Amino acid sequence: NAGVTQTPKFRVLKTGQSMTLLCAQDMNHEYMYWYRQDPGMGLRLIHYSVGEGTTAKGEVPDGYNVSRLKKQNFLLGLESAAPSQTSVYFCASMGPQGAGETQYFGPGTRLLVL
Amino acid sequence: KNQVEQSPQSLIILEGKNCTLQCNYTVSPFSNLRWYKQDTGRGPVSLTIMTFSENTKSNGRYTATLDADTKQSSLHITASQLSDSASYICVVSANQAGTALIFGKGTTLSVSS
Repeated sequence: NAGVTQTPKFRVLKTGQSMTLLCAQDMNHEYMYWYRQDPGMGLRLIHYSVGEGTTAKGEVPDGYNVSRLKKQNFLLGLESAAPSQTSVYFCASMGPQGAGETQYFGPGTRLLVL
Repeated sequence: KNQVEQSPQSLIILEGKNCTLQCNYTVSPFSNLRWYKQDTGRGPVSLTIMTFSENTKSNGRYTATLDADTKQSSLHITASQLSDSASYICVVSANQAGTALIFGKGTTLSVSS
């Protein structure tokens, strides 16, 4: 049981390049989330999904797109990377019961945009 | 505005000592309050989850309290160990779906020998 995994672990992009971050979970969780974490700030929600085929915007969605074609995978795309998107990105998943469920995080992807 | 404020920002204690971290929130509606531990370079790990009706919950040497009337929570760490060195994040959920989680900025704890 691997939990939540993220690929890649680290990436350097040039401004304007595109990339996709992959998140996978093997716990059959309905809810999946993408966050970014910046120094001196709390984690901020980018996009989330409450089930296969559904996505919704979070607090800071601009510049990002997501897809949830399979229940176990949640992809985060950057179409045209900007230096402001330099951050650590965390994926998380949670079971369907909501309030009392534990949220599980992946190890993070460190992205540097030059 | 929904906010979660944590104090202190950072804390240094000697191994074996106890400490208490504070969390004040102005989140409405309120569904639950969570404490996470985040080691450097790792993702957060859940320590406790408390709903409105719970005022204390323990996980080993970690004990969280919740006062829903004053909108305050604390995380007490007993007999600290070097491995407790981490950032501790207070998170308040405004709905049951977990799609309205408001994260505090965390308290950085350093345990020295």
